[in-house]
Amino acid sequence: DIQMTQSPSSLSASVGDRVTITCRASQDIRNDLGWYQLKPGKAPKRLIYDATTLQGGVPSRFSGSGSGTEFTLTISSLQPEDFATYYCLQHNGYPPTFGQGTKVEIK
Amino acid sequence: EVQLVESGGGLVQPGRSLRLSCAASGFSFSNYVIHWVRLVPGKGLEWVSGVTWTGGNIGYAASVKGRFTISRDNAKNSVFLQMNSLGAEDMALYYCARDSLSGGNSYALDIWGQGTMVTVSS
Repeated sequence: DIQMTQSPSSLSASVGDRVTITCRASQDIRNDLGWYQLKPGKAPKRLIYDATTLQGGVPSRFSGSGSGTEFTLTISSLQPEDFATYYCLQHNGYPPTFGQGTKVEIK
Repeated sequence: EVQLVESGGGLVQPGRSLRLSCAASGFSFSNYVIHWVRLVPGKGLEWVSGVTWTGGNIGYAASVKGRFTISRDNAKNSVFLQMNSLGAEDMALYYCARDSLSGGNSYALDIWGQGTMVTVSS
């Protein structure tokens, strides 16, 4: 299985901060990666697909970069509604595998 | 509105069975592969299984193979997950999710439901 190493596991940040989350794949996955936001009681929401493409309706403060084995999700200016847990998902190899998650908390 | 709604979760004793359902609406259900993914407390997300538009499975996670069975009923726009021999390790929030590729299988998941909780305890 392809291992996805996500960091950090948690972070504390303030409204307006720039936040960066990283996923590293154990082998080349091209750009077959998505980023998801999870909040309690809500359906998970895909933010980014194909590593860099913003999902329709997602604010432009979210962006994705990378290809191959190194990927980054950036929130340019953290908003109150962005406090959540974020996961990456690789879908290049079978089975699809997720990073361990990053919990973004209020500082 | 494109929507997936899970149901069927609850409290079950170890070794017993449970059947989860996922009801779809707002899109051409029979054109899409549907997956089950679970969120294990303290551990994170794990892909469980997927079912093709004809009802064939596209595989199971090693942790559930031989115990879980996925199926679908296109007439009812529904997908099911039959879970047998449940153990503490199966306790999780179970989501169904749509594959983003119409007419194919990419394992990229675009639409998710809100999940149904499965608690395994005596």
